[in-house]
Amino acid sequence: DAGVTQSPTHLIKTRGQQVTLRCSPKSGHDTVSWYQQALGQGPQFIFQYYEEEERQRGNFPDRFSGHQFPNYSSELNVNALLLGDSALYLCASSWAGGRNEQFFGPGTRLTVL
Amino acid sequence: ILNVEQSPQSLHVQEGDSTNFTCSFPSSNFYALHWYRWETAKSPEALFVMTLNGDEKKKGRISATLNTKEGYSYLYIKGSQPEDSATYLCASVQIVGDYKLSFGAGTTVTVRA
Repeated sequence: DAGVTQSPTHLIKTRGQQVTLRCSPKSGHDTVSWYQQALGQGPQFIFQYYEEEERQRGNFPDRFSGHQFPNYSSELNVNALLLGDSALYLCASSWAGGRNEQFFGPGTRLTVL
Repeated sequence: ILNVEQSPQSLHVQEGDSTNFTCSFPSSNFYALHWYRWETAKSPEALFVMTLNGDEKKKGRISATLNTKEGYSYLYIKGSQPEDSATYLCASVQIVGDYKLSFGAGTTVTVRA
């Protein structure tokens, strides 16, 4: 079992650009949640996908969007990047609508210059 | 956004010593409390999920207690070893709405040999 995988590991972008991060959930999991961890803070919930739909959303602007595919993998898209978007982006997968233990991937480190 | 706080932010422990640290969370509408261990360059690893007031969980030398009435949880490490060096995150879940983790900023533990 490969567990939760994320790609890429690191990414450098410039302000105004767009970025796509990818996540493959743990085998058997159908729900994917995305978190942003800025330096010195705990992970902040961005949104959660279940059955290919955004089921709930945290306090993030519309520049942050996502998608879930039929195989349960997910993408996080961020448009019009700002310097403040520099952070570690974590993906977590779970089963049965997210009411069980969430398993995390290693994260994607995004640097916006 | 739930106000979940962890203290201290960091601590140094001599190998063989025991230690503990705190997670405080809003007691109203409490549903569950998660503890994760996060080693550098790895994925956060789930330690415990606790729901009942007075709950105690144990995994090897690590244990946790939960007080939902006053809104706090303690994590204990007995006989600390260098491999216990990590950031320990707690996350609270409210009963209202969907299952969403609200994380604290973590306690970083460094065990000195």
